[in-house]
Amino acid sequence: KAGVTQTPRYLIKTRGQQVTLSCSPISGHRSVSWYQQTPGQGLQFLFEYFSETQRNKGNFPGRFSGRQFSNSRSEMNVSTLELGDSALYLCASSFGQGFTGELFFGEGSRLTVL
Amino acid sequence: QKEVEQNSGPLSVPEGAIASLNCTYSDRVSQSFFWYRQYSGKSPELIMSIYSNGDKEDGRFTAQLNKASQYVSLLIRDSQPSDSATYLCAVKGFQKLVFGTGTRLLVSP
Repeated sequence: KAGVTQTPRYLIKTRGQQVTLSCSPISGHRSVSWYQQTPGQGLQFLFEYFSETQRNKGNFPGRFSGRQFSNSRSEMNVSTLELGDSALYLCASSFGQGFTGELFFGEGSRLTVL
Repeated sequence: QKEVEQNSGPLSVPEGAIASLNCTYSDRVSQSFFWYRQYSGKSPELIMSIYSNGDKEDGRFTAQLNKASQYVSLLIRDSQPSDSATYLCAVKGFQKLVFGTGTRLLVSP
């Protein structure tokens, strides 16, 4: 069974640009969560989606957005990039309708903003 | 006060010793607790979950939960150099997991 796949793995952008990150969950998993990981703040929750609906959103500015498609694949977008957006963005999927907390993480997309 | 707190470490133990990792949380209504392991340059992976007060054992790992004290711990027996990683405590909230910043464990041969 394939794991969670995130693309791209690495990317470099400049301030003011926007970026779109993609996540394909494990087959059969319908819940997709996104986290931002930085050395100082650790793993910070961005959003969680289930059946194309955002069920929860973290304390991030509106520049951070996401969506989920009918095949459970998810994308997140960050507009008007700032230096502080440099981080590892992790996508995780889980099985079941309820949110169990048992997450399977992808390898992440490492974003560098110059 | 952070929702989930962990000592950042590093916690250094010799090979074969018991490593004890601790975590406290602030939300009294939390019901589900998890330990994730993250190797350097890799993504987190789930190693233990615990839902009831007491101990839960899985191989060399034992998770301990005390809801009255809002305290979760992870014991690693017979620690191996391959256990060297950052251990993340996570507490289930509404449709999300809240993670601590992790404790770095170093097991020396």
